[in-house]
Amino acid sequence: DAKTTQPPSMDCAEGRAANLPCNHSTISGNEYVYWYRQIHSQGPQYIIHGLKNNETNEMASLIITEDRKSSTLILPHATLRDTAVYYCIVTGGYQKVTFGIGTKLQVIP
Amino acid sequence: NAGVTQTPKFQVLKTGQSMTLQCAQDMNHNSMYWYRQDPGMGLRLIYYSASEGTTDKGEVPNGYNVSRLNKREFSLRLESAAPSQTSVYFCASRGTGEASYEQYFGPGTRLTVT
Repeated sequence: DAKTTQPPSMDCAEGRAANLPCNHSTISGNEYVYWYRQIHSQGPQYIIHGLKNNETNEMASLIITEDRKSSTLILPHATLRDTAVYYCIVTGGYQKVTFGIGTKLQVIP
Repeated sequence: NAGVTQTPKFQVLKTGQSMTLQCAQDMNHNSMYWYRQDPGMGLRLIYYSASEGTTDKGEVPNGYNVSRLNKREFSLRLESAAPSQTSVYFCASRGTGEASYEQYFGPGTRLTVT
């Protein structure tokens, strides 16, 4: 799997958009970008994924740069319940997937 | 669908004791995984099973054994627990097919070894 780099922590005001960046400069052509989040000590939860086009679902939007070397997860209107650790993963379907330490997002009232 | 279930939710062991963590999924997934997560750390892969009847080592397999009992169930065994195995253990499963690489996680088992 390609290595990813994320900032260890970020703050966001409640109601504002949270933009979480991820660098994956060694991503291969057939590898997808996946995002998960882990709320408190629960199991990680899938959020969204993409290959090269921008994606949106009911939870978030994913913006992937044209060269695919970085991406941004956007939570359009952050709430206190979005406080969590967010993991950016790059995978081509390999069995071994590396979860780094992610970005700890703190949503502030 | 219950998704991925794990038992027990909590466990306290003494050094040298053994135990088996159970995991089951009802999504007909081929691949299943065991991770551990230490405080402030990401998830580290212990073992995985790409399909029924196969298992392979992950990053941190020492001190653990696994069994893929059938397509639904994947158990993790600690033969002689050590304090260094105090952790939260997550089981996950994943389907197959292009762009279906999302993993579904269980709620975790919180294990303390004294």
